Amino acid sequence: GAVVSQHPSRVICKSGTSVKIECRSLDFQATTMFWYRQFPKQSLMLMATSNEGSKATYEQGVEKDKFLINHASLTLSTLTVTSAHPEDSSFYICSARDWKWETQYFGPGTRLLVL
Amino acid sequence: GQQLNQSPQSMFIQEGEDVSMNCTSSSIFNTWLWYKQDPGEGPVLLIALYKAGELTSNGRLTAQFGITRKDSFLNISASIPSDVGIYFCAGQLSGGSNYKLTFGKGTLLTVNP
Repeated sequence: GAVVSQHPSRVICKSGTSVKIECRSLDFQATTMFWYRQFPKQSLMLMATSNEGSKATYEQGVEKDKFLINHASLTLSTLTVTSAHPEDSSFYICSARDWKWETQYFGPGTRLLVL
Repeated sequence: GQQLNQSPQSMFIQEGEDVSMNCTSSSIFNTWLWYKQDPGEGPVLLIALYKAGELTSNGRLTAQFGITRKDSFLNISASIPSDVGIYFCAGQLSGGSNYKLTFGKGTLLTVNP
């Protein structure tokens, strides 16, 4: 149990385009999901907290108009990187909180490369 | 804000050896979690600790939640080549609407066959 999926696993896009990444909890309901960004050889950096049915809470320094988050159901959250630029290239990872066990389970990550 | 100090930063060991890594915090947590991350993958939960003093095992892995709630350690016994990866500790201060994780910087483990 406790499986979280992400789609796509990797994406290459041109500068100026928008990219949507999906995060799904497959066998449990997640009222809260989190989006992280990870640069090579570094730890995970929390970008935002996504709550089902309400607006996301963004960490300091993360532009909410740049990284749009939608958490429309208890099993799906999406992150849209708008007007992507090369500096947005990174590994984006989501996690979903299993409320019963107060633990977070992570997706496999999405590698974004902006040319 | 809260910070986690994870050590060692990296380890090079021979297959069969035991491994120990730990995390310390400047403030308390209610939950400690240990994750392993392989290259190009998301972190996988290894052990979750919910009570101060708790000692939990998962196969060859053993982790403890420090009695002060400010530290945790992870031990791996009889290491094997597939143990290679980056191990992260994470603390969670649950309650209310705050379930954010604070991560350590990771321990890179290399196991020589």
